[in-house]
Amino acid sequence: KQEVTQIPAALSVPEGENLVLNCSFTDSAIYNLQWFRQDPGKGLTSLLLIQSSQREQTSGRLNASLDKSSGRSTLYIAASQPGDSATYLCAVGETSGSRLTFGEGTQLTVNP
Amino acid sequence: DAGVIQSPRHEVTEMGQEVTLRCKPISGHDYLFWYRQTMMRGLELLIYFNNNVPIDDSGMPEDRFSAKMPNASFSTLKIQPSEPRDSAVYFCASSWGGRRRNEQFFGPGTRLTVL
Repeated sequence: KQEVTQIPAALSVPEGENLVLNCSFTDSAIYNLQWFRQDPGKGLTSLLLIQSSQREQTSGRLNASLDKSSGRSTLYIAASQPGDSATYLCAVGETSGSRLTFGEGTQLTVNP
Repeated sequence: DAGVIQSPRHEVTEMGQEVTLRCKPISGHDYLFWYRQTMMRGLELLIYFNNNVPIDDSGMPEDRFSAKMPNASFSTLKIQPSEPRDSAVYFCASSWGGRRRNEQFFGPGTRLTVL
């Protein structure tokens, strides 16, 4: 059974800092990996999707990497802003269907 | 596209009452998922459909929960009778089963409170 772990559970940084969120998974036979953002009281917003054949994806100040063999992904946020404050969730897509297995998330606070 | 639409956004009911949550997936998507999110257990998959057919309902907590998808543009999740421990945020998500399958798009959720 796939298990997804996110470290740290919470992170507080000053505005402008570059930061890295970590995601690890136990079964490397994945189809893809997705990073989501969730604001308090809101739904999940997809940020980046990395296919299993890819090493990284970039969108603006966000860069996500994938190392399938080691079961790890990172989300890099450059020049963090207070508006980046949210919970970031990592989800791994299985190969046999469309199910996603979610981590518990990292709660990020960017202080002005 | 308006994205995944869920209704109601908030529901407050009393224990024992029937609750029906509704979802309209993104047009053209052939997968639909129902999730529940609580502080204690995080995000849990309850059930998912492919082409309106239930594929995996192993996450449905008990017989009080049922889900239907009568057509490609509508799904319901019903709880009967409701209990206080069912209080949570329920999300619906949809995806397309092509190369970018698993890329799920979430609705805004229904916050359910059972008194």
